[in-house]
Amino acid sequence: AQSVAQPEDQVNVAEGNPLTVKCTYSVSGNPYLFWYVQYPNRGLQFLLKYITGDNLVKGSYGFEAEFNKSQTSFHLKKPSALVSDSALYFCAVKTAVGAGSYQLTFGKGTKLSVIP
Amino acid sequence: DTEVTQTPKHLVMGMTNKKSLKCEQHMGHRAMYWYKQKAKKPPELMFVYSYEKLSINESVPSRFSPECPNSSLLNLHLHALQPEDSALYLCASSQDLGGLGSPLHFGNGTRLTVT
Repeated sequence: AQSVAQPEDQVNVAEGNPLTVKCTYSVSGNPYLFWYVQYPNRGLQFLLKYITGDNLVKGSYGFEAEFNKSQTSFHLKKPSALVSDSALYFCAVKTAVGAGSYQLTFGKGTKLSVIP
Repeated sequence: DTEVTQTPKHLVMGMTNKKSLKCEQHMGHRAMYWYKQKAKKPPELMFVYSYEKLSINESVPSRFSPECPNSSLLNLHLHALQPEDSALYLCASSQDLGGLGSPLHFGNGTRLTVT
């Protein structure tokens, strides 16, 4: 089965410091990986995706992610954290489940707290 | 603001009530999804519609009944729910003509409380 894992329930970082939220994947074939952010009482917002090509993917709000095939990782990064980045972050993998049908399977989520 | 609109934002219902959740998108997406999310947990897939046909039902109890009247609308009909069904219900859509690379776009959800 295709899956992603987020090893950290919570990450705390000081404002202005770089942040990393970790994700590892277990996928047969080429992985299609995504990062989403969820603010309180809101839906999920798409940040970025990896399909193929450059291992460093740039996304919304200054976030980027590094795809590492040898370590089966897809860590989310930002050079300088903002208090407003505090939210719940989900890594996800998209898989085909039938002809023309796909589903997105999420990791358990990582709560990011940026401390002023 | 999200391009996927869900109504109502909040819903409180008794276990004998019948209610419906609504979802609308005008991005021309041909795949639409219902997810259920409990507090501090990841969303769990319930149903997938592809080209207005139900393509995935993740063994969801029959008290949840999805409906896709047209390519822009997705409903979730609720009947005889249990308190443990209380959760955030998220609708999403994607341009799955793009295949595995198309991201899902989520609405802000309906917060359902079953009393």
